[in-house]
Amino acid sequence: EAGVAQSPRYKIIEKRQSVAFWCNPISGHATLYWYQQILGQGPKLLIQFQNNGVVDDSQLPKDRFSAERLKGVDSTLKIQPAKLEDSAVYLCASSPVSGSSYNEQFFGPGTRLTVL
Amino acid sequence: GNSVTQMEGPVTLSEEAFLTINCTYTATGYPSLFWYVQYPGEGLQLLLKATKADDKGSNKGFEATYRKETTSFHLEKGSVQVSDSAVYFCALRNNFGNEKLTFGTGTRLTIIP
Repeated sequence: EAGVAQSPRYKIIEKRQSVAFWCNPISGHATLYWYQQILGQGPKLLIQFQNNGVVDDSQLPKDRFSAERLKGVDSTLKIQPAKLEDSAVYLCASSPVSGSSYNEQFFGPGTRLTVL
Repeated sequence: GNSVTQMEGPVTLSEEAFLTINCTYTATGYPSLFWYVQYPGEGLQLLLKATKADDKGSNKGFEATYRKETTSFHLEKGSVQVSDSAVYFCALRNNFGNEKLTFGTGTRLTIIP
């Protein structure tokens, strides 16, 4: 079974530029998550989708970050304009269904963003 | 709100040494608890989990017991190997509402031969 795919793996941009990340979850997984992992910290949830609807985006900086999940499958996360403090690894995860205490989240390899 | 406090690293041990990485949590209700591992250059992988008090999660020689009375979920292994070198994250998830994970800051473990 293929895992969670993310691209690109690495991205270097200058501040005030825009950037987009792509995630393809495990086939059939209804729930998709985007996490931000700043160096030396644990991952922090940015947004959670259930199919193509948003469940939780309370920690997404909406003035510069946006995310969508068209057709309830792939997802893109965009930053516009980027700031220095956005330098981090962006992790995508997926899980089969919501509402079960036995759900496991499967993580992709992440995209490492460096903002100069 | 939910929070996880994890033993700070880095931790360096000799091969075959005993490992303990401490983890305590604060949560509303009765969360599920997890240990994730991140090997160099790879994504996060679930190492073990426990969904209720007194449960013991185990995998690859690692164990952790869900202690409600001390709000702890310490990771242990009796004899570590060089291949265990990685970053370990303790995490919790509420069993109601959304299933977002709240992570600790991670502990970098290095095993020397």
